[in-house]
Parts: sequence; structure tokens; C-alpha cells
Amino acid sequence: GAVVSQHPSRVICKSGTSVKIECRSLDFQATTMFWYRQFPKQSLMLMATSNEGSKATYEQGVEKDKFLINHASLTLSTLTVTSAHPEDSSFYICSARGLATDTQYFGPGTRLTVL
Amino acid sequence: QKEVEQNSGPLSVPEGAIASLNCTYSDRGSQSFFWYRQYSGKSPELIMSIYSNGDKEDGRFTAQLNKASQYVSLLIRDSQPSDSATYLCAGYSGAGSYQLTFGKGTKLSVIP
Repeated sequence: GAVVSQHPSRVICKSGTSVKIECRSLDFQATTMFWYRQFPKQSLMLMATSNEGSKATYEQGVEKDKFLINHASLTLSTLTVTSAHPEDSSFYICSARGLATDTQYFGPGTRLTVL
Repeated sequence: QKEVEQNSGPLSVPEGAIASLNCTYSDRGSQSFFWYRQYSGKSPELIMSIYSNGDKEDGRFTAQLNKASQYVSLLIRDSQPSDSATYLCAGYSGAGSYQLTFGKGTKLSVIP
């Protein structure tokens, strides 16, 4: 149980384009989903927290107009990187928390490369 | 500010030995703790959670929590080369956001 999927697993795009990443909880309802970013050999960095049906809460320094998060259902959250630039190249990982639990289960991650 | 501290390592142990990974936390209000394993280039994978003082065992893994000392540890018995990874300690303070505070991780290398 507690499986989280992400799609796509890897994406390469041109600078200036937008990229959408999907995060799905496959066998549980995710009350809260979290989006992280991780640069090579660095720690996980929390970008934002989203609750189903509510606006996402962004961490300090994360541009909410650049990283659009939608959590429209209890099993799906999306992160859209708008007008991507090479410095946005990173490993984006989502995690999900079910109802009445504080445990986060991570998706497999999406590796974004912006040329 | 809530902090979770881990020795970044690398921690090297021979195959078959016990690996001991340690973590301290600053927030006395933290209620639950998690150990995640992250292989290079992969996302974190939950190994164990612990909520009460004492030990919790799951196969070759034992998590230990001492709330008075604000200390969490993970023991890996009979270490295998496949255990080589970065181990992340995380704490949850009980706040409504359900955010976890992660340590920077300890890199473990198990030498065959």
C-alpha cells in the first residue's frame, strides 16, 4: 500500500516552455501533497504544501507564479513549471500524506532538464 | 527554528557489521520521527517511523527514540552492500501543516 506515482519520470524541454508534472496517490486518498526539489548532491528542499481543494502554501523564496500547483482531487496534484529556464533543471519529487496520518510517501521523482 | 541534525558522513562499515546512524532534533514538540533511505538519483523511501521512546524493530532495522535527549537513531544489522545509500532523518512537530523537517542525510557505504 501507500504508492505514489509521478509522471513523467524524465523531461527535457526548451527554455521558455512550460512543463507539467503529475503526482498521484494510487491506493489512498492524499489529504496533503508536498512538492520538493533536489539539486545534485544537495538536500531535499520543500517548495510547497498543498491540501485538496485549497491554494498551495509556498515556502519562502519559491515563486508561486512560476511554480503553479493544483490539487484538485484527493489523488492528484500537479506542478507546472512555467517559462522554464536552465536554472530550473532539477529533480522534482512529490510526496503524499493520507488522512489521519503524518507519514509522507514519496513519488519516484521527475528529472527536469531545461536546455 | 526547527532543526534536525545528522552527521553527513560518509559512514563506512564492512559487510555484515552493524551500521549506526544518528540524528538530533531541536524541537521538543516533535512527536514522530521517520527514517528514509535515498539511493543516488532516486527519491526517498520510507524505512521506519517511530513515535514512542524506546526501540522499534523491523527486520534488520531498529529505530531508537529518546525524547529526553532529543535523539533518534537507526541501527542496521548485518549490513549489506545494497544498504549503501543516504539515510534521511525527519521529524514532525504536530503542527497542522504536516510538514516534515529533514536532516541533510548521512551517506552510508557498506564495504564488501
